[in-house]
Amino acid sequence: SYVLTQPPSVSVAPGQTASITCGGNSIGSKNVHWYQQKPGQAPVLVLHANGDRPSGIPDRFFASSSENTATLTVIKVKVGDEADYYCQVWLGTSDHQGEVFGGGTKLTVL
Amino acid sequence: QVQLVQSGAEVKKPGASVKVSCKASGYTFTSYDINWVRQATGQGLEWMGWMNPSSGNTGYAQKFQGRVTMTRNTSISTAYMELSSLGSEDTAVYYCARSSTSDYSFDYWGPGTLVTVSS
Repeated sequence: SYVLTQPPSVSVAPGQTASITCGGNSIGSKNVHWYQQKPGQAPVLVLHANGDRPSGIPDRFFASSSENTATLTVIKVKVGDEADYYCQVWLGTSDHQGEVFGGGTKLTVL
Repeated sequence: QVQLVQSGAEVKKPGASVKVSCKASGYTFTSYDINWVRQATGQGLEWMGWMNPSSGNTGYAQKFQGRVTMTRNTSISTAYMELSSLGSEDTAVYYCARSSTSDYSFDYWGPGTLVTVSS
């Protein structure tokens, strides 16, 4: 089965840049979406695979990818960005693969 | 505005089944797939499967094959997820989420339904 690997935690000071990685075999050729989840709330889509941000998501969030790693970057981090972040990939409908989520990364703003 | 409203919390005994509903509003229910995702306390997101509300076609994650059933009632724009043979490991918050038609991202989520399995 396809596995997406995220670091459990990332810490950054306010105003700095946070990078959250999502590792997967040939992930660079797949559509990777990113979600933010704050405690007690449902996840929120923050980045489409093509880099588009849904309405209301600040332009401090952007995504990039290489062959085996996708990265969510948050610039000028704010205290309000503290949350869990998940990457997601669609694998298609064969062999019940469907959607896969990374294990999540807790972003702590020090 | 798009809204997904889920049914209330449930407490079930081991071996029982649970059926969670997800009522959609603010868009054409049959135009977007509905997915179900669960999250145990302190754990990550786990995708369970999808359903096309127009056709009723479904696709389930291998882990839940044979134990999950996703259905819908288009007349009331409501999707359902039924999970059977519950065990303590099924205690989690269950979310419904709408799939974007363009890239399979989950662009709208329900608030979640807590299902507790306890004897």
